[in-house]
Amino acid sequence: GAVVSQHPSRVICKSGTSVKIECRSLDFQATTMFWYRQFPKQSLMLMATSNEGSKATYEQGVEKDKFLINHASLTLSTLTVTSAHPEDSSFYICSARDPFTTSGGKWLETQYFGPGTRLLVL
Amino acid sequence: QQQVKQSPQSLIVQKGGISIINCAYENTAFDYFPWYQQFPGKGPALLIAIRPDVSEKKEGRFTISFNKSAKQFSLHIMDSQPGDSATYFCAAQIKGGGNKLTFGTGTQLKVEL
Repeated sequence: GAVVSQHPSRVICKSGTSVKIECRSLDFQATTMFWYRQFPKQSLMLMATSNEGSKATYEQGVEKDKFLINHASLTLSTLTVTSAHPEDSSFYICSARDPFTTSGGKWLETQYFGPGTRLLVL
Repeated sequence: QQQVKQSPQSLIVQKGGISIINCAYENTAFDYFPWYQQFPGKGPALLIAIRPDVSEKKEGRFTISFNKSAKQFSLHIMDSQPGDSATYFCAAQIKGGGNKLTFGTGTQLKVEL
């Protein structure tokens, strides 16, 4: 299956600093990537949709100036948490849509997830 | 309604037993229903997915049953193994909805020896 990587896997930063998280599709090109946030024992919350070559689309309640998303190429999207605060500590997961996955002759539009990045803001 | 309701919240099954997780939705515009498995500290991994034009899909020990009229779908794990212990999420996607997934709340499965 398709592979999505994230870097770093875990990061600790001081309050007020910025942190960049990278998401890469390793063996396919993804025109669309998604960024999620997950708190312990909770479901995934979609933060934004990242489209290659255009501005990201943010979900309601997500501050676009705080969570900067750049989709510079068909295999790379980055999420920058700016001026991080302890409440931003969370598990951040990206996914990439493989437009060419098929099953039974139909396009599945499958999303493949990265391994996640655990952010701790002190 | 974008919500996908998932139950139970947690489940304990004996090794070799059948694990059943249920999901229900309201929005009839959903047309793709994947199930994801997530281990602690890892990202979700796609297990199996179904479209509403079929009532059942089986891949190995995993089966999705889909009831379009009831707007319900379920995951069955046959011959459950301790290695299946994980959190399972159902999800739904609207055709033409920007490929956004709406996730269920998750089920924490524990398979005991």
